[in-house]
Amino acid sequence: NAGVTQTPKFQVLKTGQSMTLQCAQDMNHNSMYWYRQDPGMGLRLIYYSASEGTTDKGEVPNGYNVSRLNKREFSLRLESAAPSQTSVYFCASRSGFAATQPQHFGDGTRLSIL
Amino acid sequence: QKEVEQDPGPLSVPEGAIVSLNCTYSNSAFQYFMWYRQYSRKGPELLMYTYSSGNKEDGRFTAQVDKSSKYISLFIRDSQPSDSATYLCAMKGVNTGFQKLVFGTGTRLLVSP
Repeated sequence: NAGVTQTPKFQVLKTGQSMTLQCAQDMNHNSMYWYRQDPGMGLRLIYYSASEGTTDKGEVPNGYNVSRLNKREFSLRLESAAPSQTSVYFCASRSGFAATQPQHFGDGTRLSIL
Repeated sequence: QKEVEQDPGPLSVPEGAIVSLNCTYSNSAFQYFMWYRQYSRKGPELLMYTYSSGNKEDGRFTAQVDKSSKYISLFIRDSQPSDSATYLCAMKGVNTGFQKLVFGTGTRLLVSP
């Protein structure tokens, strides 16, 4: 049972470098999400995709772009990394928007930007 | 002021103790309340959810919502070392369309044998 798989698990970047965080789910879920988790801030929504072909901004989208490649995959791109983007990034998926449907999270990507 | 407030802990208890974890919130539109458990180096996993006010029990876990006080609780009975984790509360409203989950910062729980 893979669930939500994130790659890479760890990454160190220099300021100004770019990279893409990958996320794939095998549960045939329609909606997918990217969060960042910082000490004292909790989980904050960066972007979400309600269904294949759609993406929308969340609470903290600046500095990020996303692509919903297909129903399974939702990637997060940092075009020019900044130290403020040092964080743990979580991808999640969900069957739909009904409140009783839980979000399933991956195990995160730990990103450090020097 | 944050929409959801949660004491970060850590909360240290001996095995077998009753644990009480709490969140307060300010948005009266919140109707769905969830508790997630997050082990170290892992993603959050949903433990329980409740709708509106009242209690919900699942094994050793009881979730309680008091909307009049804007206060939610998670009780863990007969706590075990395997319960050591960070517990996140989360909540959302019931309007149609997309409603983001608002998370607390999490309370770290340590259960010693």
